[in-house]
Amino acid sequence: SQQGEEDPQALSIQEGENATMNCSYKTSINNLQWYRQNSGRGLVHLILIRSNEREKHSGRLRVTLDTSKKSSSLLITASRAADTASYFCATDAGAGGFKTIFGAGTRLFVKA
Amino acid sequence: GAGVSQSPSNKVTEKGKDVELRCDPISGHTALYWYRQSLGQGLEFLIYFQGNSAPDKSGLPSDRFSAERTGGSVSTLTIQRTQQEDSAVYLCASSLLGPRNTEAFFGQGTRLTVV
Repeated sequence: SQQGEEDPQALSIQEGENATMNCSYKTSINNLQWYRQNSGRGLVHLILIRSNEREKHSGRLRVTLDTSKKSSSLLITASRAADTASYFCATDAGAGGFKTIFGAGTRLFVKA
Repeated sequence: GAGVSQSPSNKVTEKGKDVELRCDPISGHTALYWYRQSLGQGLEFLIYFQGNSAPDKSGLPSDRFSAERTGGSVSTLTIQRTQQEDSAVYLCASSLLGPRNTEAFFGQGTRLTVV
């Protein structure tokens, strides 16, 4: 079963607007990561947040983590058409935390 | 190499044939993962190698799937007697340490089509 579940499954916004994606997970984690995927091929790492962190920024990206609710959010500010992609959260789930498990992803479409 | 390299990038095979997919991780990375992604879906964990430890094979969907990692570097994923439901993109990733500490770097994947 999926450890991470992203919400919404798909999101369509206008260029310049902010995009917020959410991720919920089931078991305790050491860290949570967000990845981006273009055109159904390789994923690119965006940001990693550790379980003792609550918020992290990287350029136009802002990630929050609420371990009490087992959830995380990814905010992309001032979106651009080039941000159109699928976004996945991943956690170090499993016994001993020795594998990275991905959610089903959120498809973001930014209209120019 | 500079990144994770996978070959072939595309593979079309007939149902019932065996296929081998190759992954060259980033030099020095101790962890290597294989995932499968069907069209429009998320990544399905298949197998994880960490150093010289026994691999975590808990994600392999059937005994037709196997993987090995030779010398702690190159990995091959073998699918025997391929079925149409095996059609997917197979993604390999490596990381410097385990998932608790570092990000994973992905290859561009092998798109497998079973006809």
